[in-house]
Amino acid sequence: DQQVKQNSPSLSVQEGRISILNCDYTNSMFDYFLWYKKYPAEGPTFLISISSIKDKNEDGRFTVFLNKSAKHLSLHIVPSQPGDSAVYFCAARADSGYSTLTFGKGTMLLVSP
Amino acid sequence: EADIYQTPRYLVIGTGKKITLECSQTMGHDKMYWYQQDPGMELHLIHYSYGVNSTEKGDLSSESTVSRIRTEHFPLTLESARPSHTSQYLCASSELSSYNSPLHFGNGTRLTVT
Repeated sequence: DQQVKQNSPSLSVQEGRISILNCDYTNSMFDYFLWYKKYPAEGPTFLISISSIKDKNEDGRFTVFLNKSAKHLSLHIVPSQPGDSAVYFCAARADSGYSTLTFGKGTMLLVSP
Repeated sequence: EADIYQTPRYLVIGTGKKITLECSQTMGHDKMYWYQQDPGMELHLIHYSYGVNSTEKGDLSSESTVSRIRTEHFPLTLESARPSHTSQYLCASSELSSYNSPLHFGNGTRLTVT
């Protein structure tokens, strides 16, 4: 039973355009969401997060949007750069300080020059 | 610059061997985790720890064991490796005191059991 779903295994975007990565979740107890970026042969690195009390969080080229009613979040990358090519994981945590992260399967983003 | 270190990066080993995957962090984090990940799949939590002498099993059943004798060290041991253990193993850490502290990951160990 997958609680965090990233339904697009891959996404191709041209350099300079917007990349939109989507994530859906089923557990209504999730209240904190994170995006991680992973290059081949490296561990995931934290990118951006959002609390359920917000609907948007921005950090430079990266913006995460949260739609609680739809149980959906998205990561926007503008403008996309070739160095953004990586696998992006969506993760969520329930409302407990001792709860652990649940990850999606990831979306491989390819940004072409 | 990595603050969490995993060794070895790659390991090819025969069935039945005992192996220990090492993980150390220099950030003083209380919480540490082991995740298992196969290509195209989500990260699955197999073990975690809130601090010294604390270990818990994760969501994914695993035949591995862990220990936490020192804050900075969280090794994972497989007593008898099998081909089904072939996977990438990722170690991570986070602060205990901060609820929204993100996980910091090591670069992983790619294990192949022949």
